[in-house]
Formats: sequence, structure tokens, C-alpha cells
Amino acid sequence: GAVVSQHPSRVICKSGTSVKIECRSLDFQATTMFWYRQFPKQSLMLMATSNEGSKATYEQGVEKDKFLINHASLTLSTLTVTSAHPEDSSFYICSASPGDLALNYGYTFGSGTRLTVV
Amino acid sequence: QKEVEQDPGPLSVPEGAIVSLNCTYSNSAFQYFMWYRQYSRKGPELLMYTYSSGNKEDGRFTAQVDKSSKYISLFIRDSQPSDSATYLCAMTRGRGSQGNLIFGKGTKLSVKP
Repeated sequence: GAVVSQHPSRVICKSGTSVKIECRSLDFQATTMFWYRQFPKQSLMLMATSNEGSKATYEQGVEKDKFLINHASLTLSTLTVTSAHPEDSSFYICSASPGDLALNYGYTFGSGTRLTVV
Repeated sequence: QKEVEQDPGPLSVPEGAIVSLNCTYSNSAFQYFMWYRQYSRKGPELLMYTYSSGNKEDGRFTAQVDKSSKYISLFIRDSQPSDSATYLCAMTRGRGSQGNLIFGKGTKLSVKP
């Protein structure tokens, strides 16, 4: 089945610094990837949709200048949290879709990145 | 009204029990329905995927979709302590770039030995 690898699994950074999170599809080409955020005891909330080779589409309330998404190839999407603040501390998860083939797999998630900003 | 409603529990059952998890939704455009299992501090793991109405069985798991009632269910037979996790229902209108998932809040399940 479809496998999505996410790295790092955990990161602690100082307030004001930037952090990059990588999401890779290992055995399929992902034309579309989704980035979600999950706060403790809450469900997953979609942050943005990225399409290979074009700009990401951000959900209402998500700052595009703060959460930079790059989907430069069919197997890699990156999320960069710029000038991180403690309120950005959360669990970030990516999901990859190989286009129409997604119907055969549902949607596969990475293992998540726990970001702590101190 | 939220698009997807799911009782957050927690739900505690003895080992071997049949577990019933449910979600209701309001958007009739949803066509693709999924159940995910999430362990603490991990990404969601896909358990069941169903397109439109009907039942689907995989081992101890059965997923049901009733689009007329906007109601989906996941049944777990012969529950095991290893089934203890949070179960999330998710659904989407489309696929590809239209395939962003809308999640329920998740139900926390505990199976006691």
C-alpha cells in the first residue's frame, strides 16, 4: 500500500526560529498533499492543500506567510514554520494522495511531527 | 452544526466485547468515508474505506454507511486490548485536490483485559 514518510518526528526550537518538516511519498507519486494540524485532544484540522508544481491553497485563518509549503516534486512536500512562536506548538501531519488512485487506498498519513516552541 | 459529529467518549469495554462507533454528518455531498485509528502521538492509520452506501468487512472490522440517514458506523468484533486507541471517522466530497478530509473529533476507546 501507499506509504508516507514524515520527518522529523519531534522537534524543539526556540521562539523566532524556523522549522522545516518534510513529507515524502515512498512508493507512489503524490500529485496532491494535505497538511493538517492537531491540538491536544482535538481532531485534525486541514491547514493547506498543495499541488505539485503550483501554489498551495490555504484554509481560512491559516497564515500563508507563516506556514510556507513547497511541493516541488511528486514525492516531496515541505512545510516550513517561520518565526515560530509557542502558540505554534502542535502536532503536524501530512497526508498524500496519488490522485485518482487514492480511491484504492483511502488517504495515507505520515507519522506526524510534534513541534514544541520554547 | 458541525459538518461531522462524533461522540468523543471515552468508551471503555471488556476484552472480547463488540464495539460500535458512530458518526453523523450534515453534508450530503460526502461520498467517500474512512475510519482511522490513531495511537497517542502517532499519525492516523487507515482502517476502513467505503465509497457511497453499503457495508464493508475486513477481519474483525465492519464499516457501514447509510447515506440516507447521513450516518456511518464502525464495528469491532472480539475487541482486544491492542485496539485501545482513538478512532476517527473522516469523509470527503471528492478525490485528488478535492479530497481534503473532514474529521470527526475522535472516540477514545479502551479495551480492558
